[in-house]
Amino acid sequence: QVQLVESGGGLVKPGGSLRLSCAASGFTFSDYYMNWIRQAPGKGLEWLSYISDSGSTINYADSVKGRFTISRDNAKNSLYLQVNSLRAEDTAVYYCAREVVSSNYYPRPFDYWGQGTLVTVSS
Amino acid sequence: QSVLTQPPSVSGAPGQRVTISCTGSSSNIGAGYDVHWYQHLPGTAPKLLIYGNSNRPSGVPARFSGSKSGTLASLAISGLQAEDEADYYCQSYDSSLSAPVVFGGGTKLTVL
Repeated sequence: QVQLVESGGGLVKPGGSLRLSCAASGFTFSDYYMNWIRQAPGKGLEWLSYISDSGSTINYADSVKGRFTISRDNAKNSLYLQVNSLRAEDTAVYYCAREVVSSNYYPRPFDYWGQGTLVTVSS
Repeated sequence: QSVLTQPPSVSGAPGQRVTISCTGSSSNIGAGYDVHWYQHLPGTAPKLLIYGNSNRPSGVPARFSGSKSGTLASLAISGLQAEDEADYYCQSYDSSLSAPVVFGGGTKLTVL
């Protein structure tokens, strides 16, 4: 069955960095666009970034552009998010999500999500 | 503040029917972009509930239904059950924003 498992979260000081990982299994990872989405405490979902199946196309939300970097390793079935220059407002649960492939709908929905990894930015 | 507006909360008794609205504008839902709905229980992975405005993925009960008309999308849940208590989010696209994905602010459903 499809599984997405995030890791790498933790407590970090303002200005610090983390590398979040998402391990994928149960499907052909290299066939799918992947996304990072977060939820701050008491807030709704916020889309952060996507990366195409080959890794050649990437997009970011304005709120993280220049600070966050998405990448993937299809040989390792893994998705990554390098988060730098962290701020208190980056405190959130970070989810990876798989985008439906070959969908006639726009935008394409996210059919599988991980359970998230918590990033806490505090001094 | 999201461009897709959802009520912060709705409630209903077991067995009742509730509707959650997702109100957009001419640059998103009204422009014909599709709407998807997710169910999110705290501490768990969000779950795709409705895709393409009104389609249910395999395994989602028929009690859940979606619709779209003009600038409004709606999620209806009939025969409410205690396990339906969760947060619900709509998702679409807005041509006036740089981000390719926009979520509604979310609605907390309480089963009384």
